[in-house]
Amino acid sequence: DVKVTQSSRYLVKRTGEKVFLECVQDMDHENMFWYRQDPGLGLRLIYFSYDVKMKEKGDIPEGYSVSREKKERFSLILESASTNQTSMYLCASSSDRVAIFEQFFGPGTRLTVL
Amino acid sequence: DAKTTQPTSMDCAEGRAANLPCNHSTISGNEYVYWYRQIHSQGPQYIIHGLKNNETNEMASLIITEDRKSSTLILPHATLRDTAVYYCIVRVAIAGGTSYGKLTFGQGTILTVHP
Repeated sequence: DVKVTQSSRYLVKRTGEKVFLECVQDMDHENMFWYRQDPGLGLRLIYFSYDVKMKEKGDIPEGYSVSREKKERFSLILESASTNQTSMYLCASSSDRVAIFEQFFGPGTRLTVL
Repeated sequence: DAKTTQPTSMDCAEGRAANLPCNHSTISGNEYVYWYRQIHSQGPQYIIHGLKNNETNEMASLIITEDRKSSTLILPHATLRDTAVYYCIVRVAIAGGTSYGKLTFGQGTILTVHP
């Protein structure tokens, strides 16, 4: 089975802190994604990556950056956390361009910014 | 992307088949139907997808009508662990152009499986 793991299930940070969310997949997938999920707003794509060191902005990249130095790891960075970044963060991966919508999700990180 | 319509909620008895409908009347010829589900406080889970033929895997079956305007996800023997929100999505399968793999979930169907 595809396994996507995220570094924390719950995280509490203070406004202005730099926050790192880590995601690791173990199936040699090319594509990796970061979403956030909020009640009433559904799933929104922050960034995605289709190869090592490659990244593309999604719909809401402001206030975030990403890093993909190795194929299995995709990190989301909140440069200076703000209260409106309190959310559920979901990492996903898919094998290649043909199967890009067969995405496997991690358990999510519920981030609270105080 | 074609719009989908699903019932807000459905109930099912444990051990019985759960049949979840989805309407996608504006689907175009190269768009696939995908199903995901999300159990409370967990990440979404891919279930199955299809183009025009019926599909089956270890989790579920997908029945797509001949005109492709609607589909039904079937969980053949529902268990309490199948209680979740089920999402039907229509997308072109292969990434390209403006289609870069973004998943967008609608409201979905809340399936409650009762003992």
